[in-house]
Amino acid sequence: DVKVTQSSRYLVKRTGEKVFLECVQDMDHENMFWYRQDPGLGLRLIYFSYDVKMKEKGDIPEGYSVSREKKERFSLILESASTNQTSMYLCASSLQPGPKVVLHFGNGTRLTVT
Amino acid sequence: GENVEQHPSTLSVQEGDSAVIKCTYSDSASNYFPWYKQELGKRPQLIIDIRSNVGEKKDQRIAVTLNKTAKHFSLHITETQPEDSAVYFCAASHPSNYQLIWGAGTKLIIKP
Repeated sequence: DVKVTQSSRYLVKRTGEKVFLECVQDMDHENMFWYRQDPGLGLRLIYFSYDVKMKEKGDIPEGYSVSREKKERFSLILESASTNQTSMYLCASSLQPGPKVVLHFGNGTRLTVT
Repeated sequence: GENVEQHPSTLSVQEGDSAVIKCTYSDSASNYFPWYKQELGKRPQLIIDIRSNVGEKKDQRIAVTLNKTAKHFSLHITETQPEDSAVYFCAASHPSNYQLIWGAGTKLIIKP
């Protein structure tokens, strides 16, 4: 069974802090994703990566960056946290792209920026 | 680009009754439509999916139907049970990049 692990379940940070959200998957998946989940807005894609050291912007990349130095690890970075980045962040992974894209999600990190 | 609309945002049904959640998509080239279930405090998980070459797919109490002409697909849950209470997300995948475009989610409440 695929396991996607997010390092923190809850985080509280102050405005202006640099925040790192870590995600590790254990199934050698090529693709990794970061989403943010807000009520009524569904899942919005922030960044994704198809391979090590590769990254692509999603729908809402502003204020975020990512790092993928190893295949199993995908980090989301908030360079200078702001209150509007308070949200639930979900990491996901999948095998290489294809007609049937099955995402395996982590349990999420609920970030509060005060 | 693709856009997916999902209705209703909240659905409350009596235990034992059926529930139907509907999604519409804008790009007729989209060809894969999954449904994910997210129970309270848990991760979203795939529960059923359908490809564009199929009109209906069933798995026990859940089914998905696809109308390509109208560009909409629906999730049907029969004989609802308390454990069906969750947020359900639909999505559509476009063959150009296989990225999933998500609906906004439906909170399903099963009343005892």
